[in-house]
Amino acid sequence: DAKTTQPPSMDCAEGRAANLPCNHSTISGNEYVYWYRQIHSQGPQYIIHGLKNNETNEMASLIITEDRKSSTLILPHATLRDTAVYYCIVRVNAGGTSYGKLTFGQGTILTVHP
Amino acid sequence: DAGVTQSPTHLIKTRGQQVTLRCSPKSGHDTVSWYQQALGQGPQFIFQYYEEEERQRGNFPDRFSGHQFPNYSSELNVNALLLGDSALYLCASSQSGHLGYTFGSGTRLTVV
Repeated sequence: DAKTTQPPSMDCAEGRAANLPCNHSTISGNEYVYWYRQIHSQGPQYIIHGLKNNETNEMASLIITEDRKSSTLILPHATLRDTAVYYCIVRVNAGGTSYGKLTFGQGTILTVHP
Repeated sequence: DAGVTQSPTHLIKTRGQQVTLRCSPKSGHDTVSWYQQALGQGPQFIFQYYEEEERQRGNFPDRFSGHQFPNYSSELNVNALLLGDSALYLCASSQSGHLGYTFGSGTRLTVV
């Protein structure tokens, strides 16, 4: 079972920031928070990940609360092409290798409208 | 730089048949994972291969098997197909020691 809880759907106006919440209250100290998105009929696309510090890349920002029990993915200026299902995943990086599987939940359907 | 390549893109099989799906990982990646995504659901982990061995397995029956070749490419085999095996099958590759996964666009399998 997925260890995260996300709202099933959200709307956002084009050009505005999209803030997608995720609860992971049972996260362990060695588990990372990952965000992926899946545009219709494509494979999931990696967005960003973090352990305990806030992270930013060219796609998005990830804000993780101090107790690490929740996080927020921020798309600073949403476009119509950001319409997708967004998945929040917690995952152990086993011993520095990439053995850890990704456990997907239902995700949040983000709809960006004009 | 090619990403993850999966073939075929679409496939229709009859119940009871066997199917083989193929995956070429992203250049530089040595680990391959397979996922099944039913319509309207998130992807479910099937198994992961590294150094030509199955390293982790999800909750899937033995009808699902795989293989990884010396060039890191991989195959997913499903025997005795059921109607419920109809899904999008996704391959994801990664490099050992690194955290990121790259997914292919998947193979859409329809069992009739």
